[in-house]
Amino acid sequence: EDQVTQSPEALRLQEGESSSLNCSYTVSGLRGLFWYRQDPGKGPEFLFTLYSAGEEKEKERLKATLTKKESFLHITAPKPEDSATYLCAAGLNAGNMLTFGGGTRLMVKP
Amino acid sequence: NAGVMQNPRHLVRRRGQEARLRCSPMKGHSHVYWYRQLPEEGLKFMVYLQKENIIDESGMPKERFSAEFPKEGPSILRIQQVVRGDSAAYFCASSVDSNYNEQFFGPGTRLTVL
Repeated sequence: EDQVTQSPEALRLQEGESSSLNCSYTVSGLRGLFWYRQDPGKGPEFLFTLYSAGEEKEKERLKATLTKKESFLHITAPKPEDSATYLCAAGLNAGNMLTFGGGTRLMVKP
Repeated sequence: NAGVMQNPRHLVRRRGQEARLRCSPMKGHSHVYWYRQLPEEGLKFMVYLQKENIIDESGMPKERFSAEFPKEGPSILRIQQVVRGDSAAYFCASSVDSNYNEQFFGPGTRLTVL
């Protein structure tokens, strides 16, 4: 069964304290690994797509990396406005749906 | 550049009533996906549609739920005879095509069943 697991479930950081969020996946055929940000009461906002192991993408304080079994979302010197739930999702070769992990709720204190 | 639009944003129904949720994809997008987010749970795929066709409905309950994406107008997710367990946030996403794969989400419709 295709599965996407995120850890930790929740993460509290001080402003400026860098850290990483993990997304491990067990899927039959990965077409792409997607990262989204979701604020309370809103829809997921697209951040990155990674297609092959070794690929990296960056956007402001965020950097996403991909291996054959997991993806990391590194956040460097976070600010309070980075507080949100970060979702990863696997796009599979079979079918067009995204299989989501449970998310990591990030809280950055000033 | 309007994003994915959903309405209503909030919908309250009593048990046994019908709920109709609407989704207009981003301009230029012809692929629509519906996901459901139950309280304290992750996003779960329900159905994937292209214009006038249901491509994959493997995540949609067999009873009471239906979806359409007509040639003209928005995609509609219809829930008949709602029950309390249907209370959730329903999100629509759209993509340019199946190969491009990046899905952009709307703000969601929050359904509350009394």
